[in-house]
Amino acid sequence: DIQLTQSPSSLSASVGDRVTITCRASQNINRYLNWYQHKPGKAPKVLIYAASSLQSGVPSRFSGSRSGTDFTLTISSLQPEDFATYYCQQSYNNPRTFGQGTKVEIK
Amino acid sequence: EVQLVESGGGLVKPGGSLRLSCAVSGFTFSNYSMNWVRQTPGKGLEWVSSISSSSSYIYYADSMKGRFTTSRDNAKNSLFLQMNSLRAEDTAVYYCARGNDYYDSSGYYGGYYFDYWGQGTLVTVSS
Repeated sequence: DIQLTQSPSSLSASVGDRVTITCRASQNINRYLNWYQHKPGKAPKVLIYAASSLQSGVPSRFSGSRSGTDFTLTISSLQPEDFATYYCQQSYNNPRTFGQGTKVEIK
Repeated sequence: EVQLVESGGGLVKPGGSLRLSCAVSGFTFSNYSMNWVRQTPGKGLEWVSSISSSSSYIYYADSMKGRFTTSRDNAKNSLFLQMNSLRAEDTAVYYCARGNDYYDSSGYYGGYYFDYWGQGTLVTVSS
């Protein structure tokens, strides 16, 4: 199975901060990497698909990039509604594994 | 408006069974593959199963193989997850999610992602 390792596991940040979350795949997964935001009691929401494509309706402060097997989710200016847990997920093959999550908390 | 609504969760004893349903509306259900994803208490998201649009292909996570069965009824716009031999570690919120294949502007395949999710249904396995 493909392992996805996210870092950090959690972070504290202030409104307006630039936040970067990294996801490293255990093997080449091409660009088949997605990012989701999950808030307690809510349905998860896709932010980025195919490593860098912004899902319709998602604010442009969210962006994704890829360098080999390393993927990055960047929030350019953190907003109050962005405090949540973020997950990467690969669609290269089955099982469609998720990273362990990164919890973004208020500083 | 796309909607996915799960139901069927509840409290069940270890070794018991439960059948989850996901009723969908707002899109042509028979055109899309569907998925089950769960979130265990205090842990992250875990993919459970995928089923193709015509039910030709069904996949499961290793820990669910032989115990869980995914099916769908395209005439009734519904997705199902039959869970047998339930264990305490199956306690989780179960989400259904629509799958979407992405092709870029040049026609190259760009991957598969879960673009719409339900609110989830809680399954608790406990004696």
